[in-house]
Amino acid sequence: NAGVTQTPKFRILKIGQSMTLQCAQDMNHNYMYWYRQDPGMGLKLIYYSVGAGITDKGEVPNGYNVSRSTTEDFPLRLELAAPSQTSVYFCASSLGTELVIQYFGAGTRLSVL
Amino acid sequence: QQPVQSPQAVILREGEDAVINCSSSKALYSVHWYRQKHGEAPVFLMILLKGGEQKGHDKISASFNEKKQQSSLYLTASQLSYSGTYFCGTDTDFILTGGGNKLTFGTGTQLKVEL
Repeated sequence: NAGVTQTPKFRILKIGQSMTLQCAQDMNHNYMYWYRQDPGMGLKLIYYSVGAGITDKGEVPNGYNVSRSTTEDFPLRLELAAPSQTSVYFCASSLGTELVIQYFGAGTRLSVL
Repeated sequence: QQPVQSPQAVILREGEDAVINCSSSKALYSVHWYRQKHGEAPVFLMILLKGGEQKGHDKISASFNEKKQQSSLYLTASQLSYSGTYFCGTDTDFILTGGGNKLTFGTGTQLKVEL
């Protein structure tokens, strides 16, 4: 069972470039999340989705876009990358019950230079 | 608002106990605890719900004081494998559509267990 898979693992972008971070889960979870983690800090929620076709903003959505066309996939799009977006990005998913456990992917380490 | 964790860092000898605290200024629905080793993804440890329900690993215990909006994670008889950064994530409002949590994470407590 693969769980939550993120690609790529590492990426270096130039200022102004765009890219899509991929996230896929094979656990049939309804809920999916994108977080960013800056060095020495906790995770901050960027966007989340409660099911295919339904997304909403988290704490730090500016500079990012998401879509959720299937239950399995939840890509994160960075438009016009800025140095402030240098971070480690984690995707997570959870089942829709009260005692929800969020399962995290291995992360994508992004540098914008 | 971000929950406050204490201590920021702690060093233990194998076999010693530790308590990590998490405090929020808002009324909480649930508290989640995760451990993250360097360069890895966070791993679930424990969930505590308002009302007393909880779920987690057998060797880890935690408490949740709803009135004080505080939670504590108790690590007993520590092992080398307990080393890592511990995060609490707090949820003030269960997503009303039927599940899921919008978690706000603290800045973490670094725990190092030595021989």
